[in-house]
Order: sequence, then C-alpha cells, then structure tokens
Amino acid sequence: QKEVEQNSGPLSVPEGAIASLNCTYSDRGSQSFFWYRQYSGKSPELIMSIYSNGDKEDGRFTAQLNKASQYVSLLIRDSQPSDSATYLCAVNNGYSTLTFGKGTMLLVSP
Amino acid sequence: DTGVSQDPRHKITKRGQNVTFRCDPISEHNRLYWYRQTLGQGPEFLTYFQNEAQLEKSRLLSDRFSAERPKGSFSTLEIQRTEQGDSAMYLCASSLGGEDYIQYFGAGTRLSVL
Repeated sequence: QKEVEQNSGPLSVPEGAIASLNCTYSDRGSQSFFWYRQYSGKSPELIMSIYSNGDKEDGRFTAQLNKASQYVSLLIRDSQPSDSATYLCAVNNGYSTLTFGKGTMLLVSP
Repeated sequence: DTGVSQDPRHKITKRGQNVTFRCDPISEHNRLYWYRQTLGQGPEFLTYFQNEAQLEKSRLLSDRFSAERPKGSFSTLEIQRTEQGDSAMYLCASSLGGEDYIQYFGAGTRLSVL
C-alpha cells in the first residue's frame, strides 16, 4: 500500500510568519512530488512541483525534497490570511496517478 | 479557472438512481483522470485515460462505477444504483502525457445521495 502521510493540523501561524508543512511517503520509487492548495469546498490548485532532491523556490513558496529520507516539505514565507487552506501533498510513483495525503489545514491569523 | 470543466457542479439524487458526470479536459491534454474526495480525506484515484484508452480501472470502487472517453476528448463517469456512501466530491483532472506532467483539476461535482 503506497502511502503519503501528513499531519492533519491545524497548523496555526501569525500573519508574516513562516509556515512549514511536511509530508512523508512510503514508495521509494516515487518520482514526482506536488503540493496542492485546497480552499474549503473548492478543488485542489497546484502550488509547487518538485522532481529532484533539494530546494525549489517560487515566490513566497519553497518546496524541499529529500528522497533518501522520503520527505517533502513546503515552506510559505510571509504567510497571509489568504493562505489559510488545506495543503495536499501528492506523489507520483511512475504509474501516472497521484497518491494524496489527507492534507494539512493551515490557519494564518491576522 | 484551470480550463478543466465539470458538469454538473452539484447533483442530488435518491438512493438507487443512476448518475452521470461529465468532464471536459484542457484541449491539448491527452490524459484524463477521475478522483473521488470525501470529507477530511485527500483525493482518491479512480481511473484514467490516455486519449480514448482506459489504462487503469482496477481502482474503480465497485462494478457500479464506470467511465468512458469515447473520442479521446470529454469523459463521463457513471455510478449505477447509487448508495449513500457514494456521496462525495468527484474530481476530474487532465494533463499532458508523462509522470512529470502536472495534473490540473476541475471544480468537481459534488454528489449527495439521499
């Protein structure tokens, strides 16, 4: 059973702080990793993709991948109330389908 | 708006009825995926197509679920003899081919079975 684990939260941070979201996966053959943001009642929206070890930065978002530790993280700098949402970690193990974690709820307080 | 269109957005039905959902992918995308999402869970993969070929369907939840993509463009997902446990958000996504290609999700169809 290929699994993706996330802390369900909620993770509460004050406005302007750094939010750190973590994800572990069980399948060592996993090749592609994605972070989606999902507002309540809406569909998932892609935030970041990462394919190789290390960091990838896009604006206020940084994704970090460590394949040896089977660990993916998402950092959100200068968190805003509008960042309050559920963040889904998704892993593609090479069979063209995504396995999602249950998501971490992030709450950014003004 | 990602460009993936799903219809209807909401569907209320009575237990035992059949329902069909439609998904129109981004026009140049040859892969189309169906997922189901229940409250508090991440999306759960159901099936996917490359062009008109259904390449994976073993994860459909039961033989009451079926999907088609007859001309390699839009797709339909049908649930026969609906049960209350089928109540969920049904999500469609599309991508270009290949595992590195990003899947873009539609707005989803929320199904309520009474």
